[in-house]
Order: sequence, then C-alpha cells, then structure tokens
Amino acid sequence: KAGVTQTPRYLIKTRGQQVTLSCSPISGHRSVSWYQQTPGQGLQFLFEYFSETQRNKGNFPGRFSGRQFSNSRSEMNVSTLELGDSALYLCASSDPSSFHEQYFGPGTRLTVT
Amino acid sequence: AQTVTQSQPEMSVQEAETVTLSCTYDTSESNYYLFWYKQPPSRQMILVIRQEAYKQQNATENRFSVNFQKAAKSFSLKISDSQLGDTAMYFCAFSDTGTASKLTFGTGTRLQVTL
Repeated sequence: KAGVTQTPRYLIKTRGQQVTLSCSPISGHRSVSWYQQTPGQGLQFLFEYFSETQRNKGNFPGRFSGRQFSNSRSEMNVSTLELGDSALYLCASSDPSSFHEQYFGPGTRLTVT
Repeated sequence: AQTVTQSQPEMSVQEAETVTLSCTYDTSESNYYLFWYKQPPSRQMILVIRQEAYKQQNATENRFSVNFQKAAKSFSLKISDSQLGDTAMYFCAFSDTGTASKLTFGTGTRLQVTL
C-alpha cells in the first residue's frame, strides 16, 4: 500500500495570506489527524477527521480549519497567517479497526515571512 | 489532561551498544496506549513500538523493547545493538481509548549513534 502523502512538501507564504495543505491517507484509512511541529511548542494535535466529520479538536485558534472529503482525503487551511505559524505540519491516518495506530506522512514545511 | 515527559534532551551511544530512553506520563485514565515514534533527519515520523496499558507484557519489536511500569507511569525504550540508522529524534506519545487518534507527545530525545 502507498503511504500517507502530503502536498505540497514546502511552502513559503507572506504574513496575512492564507494557505491550504493537503493530505491523502493510506488506502482504506478513514481517519486523518493533523499535527503542528515547531521547535518551541513541539508536536501539537490540531484536529482529526473521520468520515468527513471533525471528531477531535486541539487547542488552536479558529484560523486553523480543516475538512475531509468522501474519499478520505483531508485539507487543512490556515487563514491570516502569522509568523508563528511557520512549522512542519504533519498528517497521520489510521484504520477504523485500530484508531490508535497512526501512520504519518512526510509533512509540509510552511514558512511564513 | 494528559502529559508526557522526556527528561533526556540528548543521548549518545556507540554502535552495537544498548541505550535506554526514558519517558514518564501522567493520566487519570485506566486504559490507554503508549508509543515510541522515531523521526530521522528526513522528518518522516515512524512508529517504532506500541504498548497497550491493559497488557502487562512488555512489547518488543526486533531490537526495540519497552519497560512499561504502569504504577510508576513509566515507559522506557531500550534499543539493543544500536545502528547508525537509529540516529534520530525519538518521541514518546500517549493516547487514551476515548480519543484514540489524538496523540500527546513528549518533547523528544535526540539520539546520536556513533562509530
């Protein structure tokens, strides 16, 4: 099976812009979770989608949003970008029979200037 | 809220030697999952090993094994016969059975394997 894929791999945006990141899960996986990784805050959970519904949410402002499509692909959107949003954004997918076992994609490196 | 603590920011081990990475956690849940993830310089997060709290037997995966002490809320990772390819950041992570797909991570331990 192909692994989790994320596009784009690298992105440079300007403060105030918005950005959309994409994640395609492993075939058959219906849960997609998003994480933000920064040197200062470490790895933090953003949200999780299952069957096109947000099921869990972390402690991030409303500028961070996401959605999931019927094919389980997920997108994450960040509006009004701030310098502090510069991070590696990781998505992970899991199988319905074992939600706790997550498989990560290679990440999208977002730089906000 | 659950917390995961890794008190060793950096460790070094010689090739073929054994090294143990420490992790403690805090939770009021009785059933949960614990994980060790490896993040090499490529940034790809790789699941190394997992432990279900209700299982008393310590998990093992080839050269990787854990020492799970539920009462002490301790979950250490032992890497035997260390290899250069083991050089990476290692993250301890927790998830409870209610929100199984939400991982809470520790701050990580940077492991350097040397010749």
